Amino acid sequence: AQSVTQLGSHVSVSEGALVLLRCNYSSSVPPYLFWYVQYPNQGLQLLLKYTSAATLVKGINGFEAEFKKSETSFHLTKPSAHMRDAAEYFCAVSVNNNDMRFGAGTRLTVKP
Amino acid sequence: EAGVVQSPRYKIIEKKQPVAFWCNPISGHNTLYWYRQNLGQGPELLIRYENEEAVDDSQLPKDRFSAERLKGVDSTLKIQPAELGDSAVYLCASSLESGQSYGYTFGSGTRLTVV
Repeated sequence: AQSVTQLGSHVSVSEGALVLLRCNYSSSVPPYLFWYVQYPNQGLQLLLKYTSAATLVKGINGFEAEFKKSETSFHLTKPSAHMRDAAEYFCAVSVNNNDMRFGAGTRLTVKP
Repeated sequence: EAGVVQSPRYKIIEKKQPVAFWCNPISGHNTLYWYRQNLGQGPELLIRYENEEAVDDSQLPKDRFSAERLKGVDSTLKIQPAELGDSAVYLCASSLESGQSYGYTFGSGTRLTVV
């Protein structure tokens, strides 16, 4: 079955610094990959998704992710962090059976 | 358009009591999902509906959990009786149709505390 591993349960950056949240996937077939963001006491909001088109995917709020098959990775980046980016971020993978599997999440803290 | 609506937002019950959660998906979304999110973890699928049919309930603890989506629109998830370990956030999501490329739209969730 497919799965994702998010490296680092907590990431802390300074405002204006690069954000890098790591995600590696495991799948026996070409996967679809997603990043979701969850603000406190809210549901998950889709940031971006990879669906076998362009390997560099741009999402909302200035985030982007690059699909690297050779590294089985789908890391999330943002050039300059803002205070409002502080949240929990989840990587997810889905294949043919429509079963979306989520990682454990990475909590992003942004320091002023 | 309205998003996925869930109620209640919070629920505190004593163990062994029943509890029910309600979800109204986005209009026109045929696929509906119930997920459970334990503290500090990612969501885990409980059940998936295609219209009114439960097509994947393999992760639903059927001894105490039940769900229904009678008219293929809104859905109810029930726990009876609740146990301490059921404390979690229960998330409902919907998608246009069964297809992993769409992504899901999530509701705000119901935070259940069993005491």
